[in-house]
Amino acid sequence: GNSVTQMEGPVTLSEEAFLTINCTYTATGYPSLFWYVQYPGEGLQLLLKATKADDKGSNKGFEATYRKETTSFHLEKGSVQVSDSAVYFCALSNNAGNMLTFGGGTRLMVKP
Amino acid sequence: GAVVSQHPSRVICKSGTSVKIECRSLDFQATTMFWYRQFPKQSLMLMATSNEGSKATYEQGVEKDKFLINHASLTLSTLTVTSAHPEDSSFYICSARFLAGRETQYFGPGTRLLVL
Repeated sequence: GNSVTQMEGPVTLSEEAFLTINCTYTATGYPSLFWYVQYPGEGLQLLLKATKADDKGSNKGFEATYRKETTSFHLEKGSVQVSDSAVYFCALSNNAGNMLTFGGGTRLMVKP
Repeated sequence: GAVVSQHPSRVICKSGTSVKIECRSLDFQATTMFWYRQFPKQSLMLMATSNEGSKATYEQGVEKDKFLINHASLTLSTLTVTSAHPEDSSFYICSARFLAGRETQYFGPGTRLLVL
């Protein structure tokens, strides 16, 4: 079956540091890949997505590239801000888009 | 675009009562809606998938008589927690998907339920 593995948090960084949150997946076929962000007390917001190999999703300075050869979709940002503090979820959906499989989530804490 | 709302955002109820949570897609028609449950500091657990006008499909281990789901229109789905108990206290999140963007789910802000 499908599964998503994320690096465990919390990840603590200083403002303006470089961020990488690793995500690898196991899936049949050609899934779509997503990063969602959850701010404290809120639901999930779609951050970015990629639907095929070598696609790069980007939004708000965050980027992730769909790497089929390494089955990875690592999230990166060149310079984090305190406002980026949140929990980040990597997810995949199957071809029909019927179901999202989530990773365990990674908490990011950015200190001023 | 693609905004999903939930109501209420927080609810506190007594054990044994029933609680209804609404999930609405505000600017699109949602052919499919999903209900998730999230425990503190954990990931989301899919409870059920509902398609407009048909019965919901529940994930293994989720009691359908306990968690009643109705998807009566293309913009509204409801989750009713019947005879709630303290162990039902959790954060409930819905998401919606429209046909044209079928691989993307848009999430509501969540409802925090506390059963005393």
